[in-house]
Amino acid sequence: QSALTQPASVSGSPGQSITISCTGTSSDVGSYNLVSWYQQHPGKAPKLMIYEVTKRPSGVSNRFSGSKSGNTASLTISGLQAEDEGDYYCCSYAGNIVVFGGGTKLTVL
Amino acid sequence: QVQLQESGPGLVKPSETLSLTCAVSGYSISSGYYWGWIRQPPGKGLEFIGSINYSGSTCYSPSLRSRVTISVDTSKDQFSLKLSSVTAADTAVYYCARLYGGRGFFDYWGQGTLVTVS
Repeated sequence: QSALTQPASVSGSPGQSITISCTGTSSDVGSYNLVSWYQQHPGKAPKLMIYEVTKRPSGVSNRFSGSKSGNTASLTISGLQAEDEGDYYCCSYAGNIVVFGGGTKLTVL
Repeated sequence: QVQLQESGPGLVKPSETLSLTCAVSGYSISSGYYWGWIRQPPGKGLEFIGSINYSGSTCYSPSLRSRVTISVDTSKDQFSLKLSSVTAADTAVYYCARLYGGRGFFDYWGQGTLVTVS
């Protein structure tokens, strides 16, 4: 099971919107509406930001949203804030196992 | 509030077996969910290792299946990871997390523990 493909880095200025893509295959992203997204700050554990493609856990800002089309899922962060800087990972259910993306480093300029 | 805490040796010799335990508090493992292990080599991304539920049903990453064993002790609300024949490539921060089985997302994570193979 290969890792999902994410851009290595994205950047944006405060107040702007950015989108991170996550490309898988018909065996994972394309087959299930079970993509999740995690935010990770240096030295910290990942934090669930989006699950089941579009759902936000309680306490996660509505500036974070998710979508999916075919084999590609996307995370959009609107109204960028300095605290959004960090690494973001997508994850897809793939039939009893899960597979992660390689991660994207978000820089807030 | 669900909390998870990893414990185990921080240094393992090559060819030996890495052993970690995850203690769960604030939730009884017997009540449901799957419980998983994920690792992150220094400076790299996350990798799913495997998961287990309260009855002992396991799922392992195909790339690690031959070396991994995950077990559960519901009486102590903890689950464990054993990874055999380790090499330097197994050096990583190891996380335990609660997995919403069948829906593929981890909602609670431990703080992680660094295991160095040397």
